[in-house]
Amino acid sequence: ETGVTQTPRHLVMGMTNKKSLKCEQHLGHNAMYWYKQSAKKPLELMFVYSLEERVENNSVPSRFSPECPNSSHLFLHLHTLQPEDSALYLCASSQDRGGTYNEQFFGPGTRLTVL
Amino acid sequence: AQKVTQAQTEISVVEKEDVTLDCVYETRDTTYYLFWYKQPPSGELVFLIRRNSFDEQNEISGRYSWNFQKSTSSFNFTITASQVVDSAVYFCALSEARNTDKLIFGTGTRLQVFP
Repeated sequence: ETGVTQTPRHLVMGMTNKKSLKCEQHLGHNAMYWYKQSAKKPLELMFVYSLEERVENNSVPSRFSPECPNSSHLFLHLHTLQPEDSALYLCASSQDRGGTYNEQFFGPGTRLTVL
Repeated sequence: AQKVTQAQTEISVVEKEDVTLDCVYETRDTTYYLFWYKQPPSGELVFLIRRNSFDEQNEISGRYSWNFQKSTSSFNFTITASQVVDSAVYFCALSEARNTDKLIFGTGTRLQVFP
């Protein structure tokens, strides 16, 4: 595997379910990100992790819970979601956070539908 | 406030036509970085270019070229001799030196290239 992978690619869940999204990066990067992409809205940064430590949380509701057990893996745990949470959830990584060179490499996303 | 505006929601062209995607940004920082990403139907965002605020030289890479003009706060992207494989959603993004973790995206421009 190369680059950034995300599983599952598609997920349908009810509002009372608990599910997790997984992201894995094979680039040796130290920073990882979760983004939400809703229709007709700009991508929204949700969480930033650097060396497994959360460094930014952009006022995301507590029904989204991130976990970064090591620098290669990032999870987004979901519980009691709302229909408006339906979106494409993108994971990204970069060599380090901050600094001049911070191009982020993205995974293919998980298309989430909340019924 | 930081903001990226991509006024063109959708553009359709016929193969071999040139097409320019507009991007206008707002920032109060004097040091910032501008990006273009491509999102093909498969979903993952593909990094195309990064430009810092002190480098106003235009850049050409194959059929792609970028025109950065600080005077008009614009960072436009031109595809010369477009091809069907160029069909995708293109995002312009901004990050400021004080928080380079955060990419501020525009709403994207969907480009459709017809044979």
